[in-house]
Amino acid sequence: EVQLVESGGGLVQPGGSLRLSCAASGFTFSNFAMTWVRQAPGKGLEWVSSISGGGGSTYYADSVKGRFTISRDNSKYTLFLQLNSLRAEDTAVYYCARVLVAAHGSDVFDIWGQGTMVTVSS
Amino acid sequence: DIQMTQSPSSLSASVGDRVTITCRASQSVNSYLNWYQQKPGEAPKLLIYAASTLQTGVPLRFSGYGSGTDFTLTISSLQPEDFAAYYCQQTFSAPLYTFGQGTKLQIK
Repeated sequence: EVQLVESGGGLVQPGGSLRLSCAASGFTFSNFAMTWVRQAPGKGLEWVSSISGGGGSTYYADSVKGRFTISRDNSKYTLFLQLNSLRAEDTAVYYCARVLVAAHGSDVFDIWGQGTMVTVSS
Repeated sequence: DIQMTQSPSSLSASVGDRVTITCRASQSVNSYLNWYQQKPGEAPKLLIYAASTLQTGVPLRFSGYGSGTDFTLTISSLQPEDFAAYYCQQTFSAPLYTFGQGTKLQIK
């Protein structure tokens, strides 16, 4: 079964750090780009960051650039998101998702994890 | 940056109704437009990609249309399980992506 399972969320003080993990199974992890999407309580979806299959290329939303770092360990089928200098507005459920290049050459986020909650509060 | 605007933000409808949700891009995204459904407490689920192609397993009552800047998601006959939030997403500027703000579909 193709599956993504996030972990690492929790309560952290403003200015603190957290490392999220996303364990993949059921597919050849290195063949796919991966992405993180977050959702603040009661709000919509916000794309956060993406990484290529080999890990050599990374991309960030302006709202997290310079504070968050995406990485992956293909040998362990795991995606990471390092969250530094956290702010209250970073409070959200963080989802990891697989990026599939569908027919027509369009990227889709076809497999999602269940999400992990990050709360930034003093 | 490409901005995506959905309308309406919320919608009340009854089982059996036909509903349409609109998504507008701030610049042309060709047909690089996806739709996702999200039920409370769950992760989003891909419904439609490339503006009009149904993901495997998605019921035929869902359809997508559009290209350029204007897109629609239509549910031809609402079922109880369709009451959820719906999001459009542009992938024209991949690997930088943008979601619409969402449309919450509620039972009337």
